[in-house]
Amino acid sequence: AQTVTQSQPEMSVQEAETVTLSCTYDTSESDYYLFWYKQPPSRQMILVIRQEAYKQQNATENRFSVNFQKAAKSFSLKISDSQLGDAAMYFCAYRRGSGNTPLVFGKGTRLSVIA
Amino acid sequence: DGGITQSPKYLFRKEGQNVTLSCEQNLNHDAMYWYRQDPGQGLRLIYYSQIVNDFQKGDIAEGYSVSREKKESFPLTVTSAQKNPTAFYLCASSIRNGNSPLHFGNGTRLTVT
Repeated sequence: AQTVTQSQPEMSVQEAETVTLSCTYDTSESDYYLFWYKQPPSRQMILVIRQEAYKQQNATENRFSVNFQKAAKSFSLKISDSQLGDAAMYFCAYRRGSGNTPLVFGKGTRLSVIA
Repeated sequence: DGGITQSPKYLFRKEGQNVTLSCEQNLNHDAMYWYRQDPGQGLRLIYYSQIVNDFQKGDIAEGYSVSREKKESFPLTVTSAQKNPTAFYLCASSIRNGNSPLHFGNGTRLTVT
């Protein structure tokens, strides 16, 4: 079974600084997708960024980017120019490539942003 | 606007009672999912359905049941057999494509006393 590990239960960052959240996963599949979700205090799950495993180029969405290391099975999220609104739980998730398979989530990292 | 609606937002029940959580989507998505969220546990899969009239157990299906009679609806029943039902429950849906993300509802907080 696939597993997703987020080794940092909590992180903090100063406003305007950069922070990196770690995620590793375990799979024997070659075709899969990786996601980062944000869950603010409202508890709404918001997609931050996604990465296809077959793409070597790291995904980027505005201030959010990933460092995808396929051989190391690592998928870290970098948040640049951190803002107070970035404070939230962040979940890393894995999905097998075929069909409507469920996402497997890590346990999350709680990010605090210090003004 | 299209989306996923979970109701109610807060639900209170006495121990020993079954309770059904509603999840409706108007996104025309084939697949729907139920996750449970507990502090420090992330999201754990309860059940999912890839098509109408079909569903599969997830990692923590014991004490729960579902039905998928319509494409738009995927209700979750928390039975009295569920030992620790107090939790936050999230419903999600997706299209039939691996790189498509899950779209989530706003969740239901169930408290059983």
